[in-house]
Amino acid sequence: ETGVTQTPRHLVMGMTNKKSLKCEQHLGHNAMYWYKQSAKKPLELMFVYSLEERVENNSVPSRFSPECPNSSHLFLHLHTLQPEDSALYLCASSQELGPSYNEQFFGPGTRLTVL
Amino acid sequence: GQNIDQPTEMTATEGAIVQINCTYQTSGFNGLFWYQQHAGEAPTFLSYNVLDGLEEKGRFSSFLSRSKGYSYLLLKELQMKDSASYLCAVTPGGSYIPTFGRGTSLIVHP
Repeated sequence: ETGVTQTPRHLVMGMTNKKSLKCEQHLGHNAMYWYKQSAKKPLELMFVYSLEERVENNSVPSRFSPECPNSSHLFLHLHTLQPEDSALYLCASSQELGPSYNEQFFGPGTRLTVL
Repeated sequence: GQNIDQPTEMTATEGAIVQINCTYQTSGFNGLFWYQQHAGEAPTFLSYNVLDGLEEKGRFSSFLSRSKGYSYLLLKELQMKDSASYLCAVTPGGSYIPTFGRGTSLIVHP
């Protein structure tokens, strides 16, 4: 247990569906992240929030929409996805977003399959 | 852009020592992390290096040479449970967010 939980753990959706991924951290951290992990590829940063404000949007298609209602929760809203969006989506948090030691704590991920 | 390179896969024998290398080319440097990720699980923090030299933590050690853009993770007395993917991540200068390499899949066999 890392103190970061994600639901659902597995999701299968059609290209016309709308779904949301949820992440919750119980560590009192101020920064939260969404990553996409595909086979044979590096972890791809999607979004970063610091104190509930989005500070990074890494050229992510608009069919992915993040939401951070408070410092403990992070959502990723999905709509009209493509099969190539199938991947493991990881949420992470860190104490702060700063230049020094900034260990990230990861959730177990949501395995997404788009049909 | 940032470039982080590590071997795709390594194999080793239980009880042995293995060294996983990571080389990077980034615009500036603010620190290097190593994470371990077992199949189907979350990545977990192993080590952090910001100054040159060796950091030892039990069976695991991590080394950094900033002038060479090089790090390695050293695993001693390998155990079967060490079979996992090992991710190298570098925080470039002027950034607070690490960039990850592809990861090295380590297979430990009896």
